[in-house]
Parts: sequence; C-alpha cells; structure tokens
Amino acid sequence: EADIYQTPRYLVIGTGKKITLECSQTMGHDKMYWYQQDPGMELHLIHYSYGVNSTEKGDLSSESTVSRIRTEHFPLTLESARPSHTSQYLCASSHSPGQGDFRSYEQYFGPGTRLTVT
Amino acid sequence: KNQVEQSPQSLIILEGKNCTLQCNYTVSPFSNLRWYKQDTGRGPVSLTIMTFSENTKSNGRYTATLDADTKQSSLHITASQLSDSASYICVVSDRGSTLGRLYFGRGTQLTVWP
Repeated sequence: EADIYQTPRYLVIGTGKKITLECSQTMGHDKMYWYQQDPGMELHLIHYSYGVNSTEKGDLSSESTVSRIRTEHFPLTLESARPSHTSQYLCASSHSPGQGDFRSYEQYFGPGTRLTVT
Repeated sequence: KNQVEQSPQSLIILEGKNCTLQCNYTVSPFSNLRWYKQDTGRGPVSLTIMTFSENTKSNGRYTATLDADTKQSSLHITASQLSDSASYICVVSDRGSTLGRLYFGRGTQLTVWP
C-alpha cells in the first residue's frame, strides 16, 4: 500500500466556494502530480511538480492552482468552484531518477477526492 | 485521438475463468508500459511495468505481454476472482521529456460474476 493520502475523500460544495484538496506523501518523492478523471474516461494530467517551489501546468487546462512548499505536501486549490469542476481528482508521486539512472519508477496514486459542485 | 487504445471497453466473465485485455499504443519514443488496476472510487494500483526489452512479466495471476514492434500489449488474468472486478488501465510512458509523460488508456471495466 502506497503512503500517499488525500483529503477529503468526498466533497459536495456550492458554486462559488473556494476549496482546497489536500495531498500528502511520506515516501520522500520529489515528483508529485494531480490528475483529473471523469467516469469512463482516461486520466488527464492537470499539474505536476519536480520538487519544492516547482509547479507546472499539465496537458489539460485547469482553473485550479497548486503549491509545493514542502516535499511531502501538494495541495490543489479552486478559488471559485463551478459545476464544470465536478470530477475525481487523483494525486500521485514518484521517485526522481538521478543522472544516468534510466530505470522506470512507479507512480503511486492516492485514493482520490470525488468533488461535486452543485 | 488517444495515443493509448484499450479493448474491450467492458467485459463480464464468470469466476474462475481466464480473460485477456488488449492495449494498442502509438506513443513514441517509447519508454515503458504499465498496467494498473483501479477499483471503483480508488486510485490506480500498479500491476506490472515493462520496458522495451521485456516481452512478458507476471504478477501472481496477472501476466502482461509486450510487442514493441507492433506496439501492442495484453494483460492475461488467470482463474479470475470476484476481487478482480475493477477497471484495468494501460499506461505508456515516453522518453521525450524529463517528466516521462504518461499516456493513459480509458480502461477495460472487468466484472467477475460468481
């Protein structure tokens, strides 16, 4: 079982509210990721981080923002939630290979947060 | 068009039977291919990961194969159990960026009936 945690697991919130989805890992991984997944669809990368103070946008445009102040913590924030933000949000982390290390490292996923905006 | 296509979209089998799930990809340059199991309402859990030089890898009752020439992979499940009911996702990683970008299939939804 991977040591990566997400809270809350389920969230139902009204339009216009600000929300923060929490993600923490205790594996000391440098790389962390946020994915969005709709039912029956593939995961889409919305944010990633190479390490502390490093954040980048992913393939899928998202109105959310992220921060990486500590290695183990990668929260995602929506300033003003809308019904279009209803989805499952998955956090993941992986080891960062060193110079000349071409091994494939696993991405470990958290249990996800199911967000519903009414 | 998604660069990772999986078939079938859904599958129902009886407990104890075997099944094979398919994955075709166009991701290039190829780095590795992974199969994940995702239970409903949970995050994906890794089953196998294969690089270019590996053509088969087993994890208990799960056996994955890879043909890098035809860009095809399969996941074979032997003697299915009720707990195998889940979505099985094929994921391909490229070598084109330091991130090792992952390309996800939509998954095959497997249901095992008693």
